[in-house]
Amino acid sequence: EPEVTQTPSHQVTQMGQEVILRCVPISNHLYFYWYRQILGQKVEFLVSFYNNEISEKSEIFDDQFSVERPDGSNFTLKIRSTKLEDSAMYFCASNGGGRSDTQYFGPGTRLTVL
Amino acid sequence: GQSLEQPSEVTAVEGAIVQINCTYQTSGFYGLSWYQQHDGGAPTFLSYNALDGLEETGRFSSFLSRSDSYGYLLLQELQMKDSASYFCAVFTGGGNKLTFGTGTQLKVEL
Repeated sequence: EPEVTQTPSHQVTQMGQEVILRCVPISNHLYFYWYRQILGQKVEFLVSFYNNEISEKSEIFDDQFSVERPDGSNFTLKIRSTKLEDSAMYFCASNGGGRSDTQYFGPGTRLTVL
Repeated sequence: GQSLEQPSEVTAVEGAIVQINCTYQTSGFYGLSWYQQHDGGAPTFLSYNALDGLEETGRFSSFLSRSDSYGYLLLQELQMKDSASYFCAVFTGGGNKLTFGTGTQLKVEL
């Protein structure tokens, strides 16, 4: 069964450093997403991406964040200068059918900022 | 703004039936989804209701009433492996953004 994959599973970084989180969505999906979950809290939407551009972003997704689809399979989230409060689980998701179609989540990357 | 309310915790015994409620206040509502999340794991899709009524998938059923802005997830024949957090989530905005509820931690006991 096709699945969303993410690397690395755990990333530890120093405050102020740049990190890139990587995702490979399900191959025939066209819509891609990043969500985050701070420990013990709910899952929060960050950004949606379609047709090589951001379609929607939340207030969390400020200028420190960017997304890219550098090739036909990868989808990345970059945080330019990490802050302590960026420590969270970051989930990538994808769907194929557009609006309201089921989103399938990857296993997540746990980001720890020291 | 968007808000989804769920009970924070529910406890039930193995073999029982449990219902997890979700009330929501959103704009641009497209449908209500349910996700299961085990500790440290990814949210796993369980069910989706776009229209009023009951959807059944094996031991899990989900219900939606759009006029009441209310839905629930029903889990039957509870098993120990069902111990997890359950989130309701709605599609809002342009229809692609999922807004999650606060989550309900289900504990299944012997």
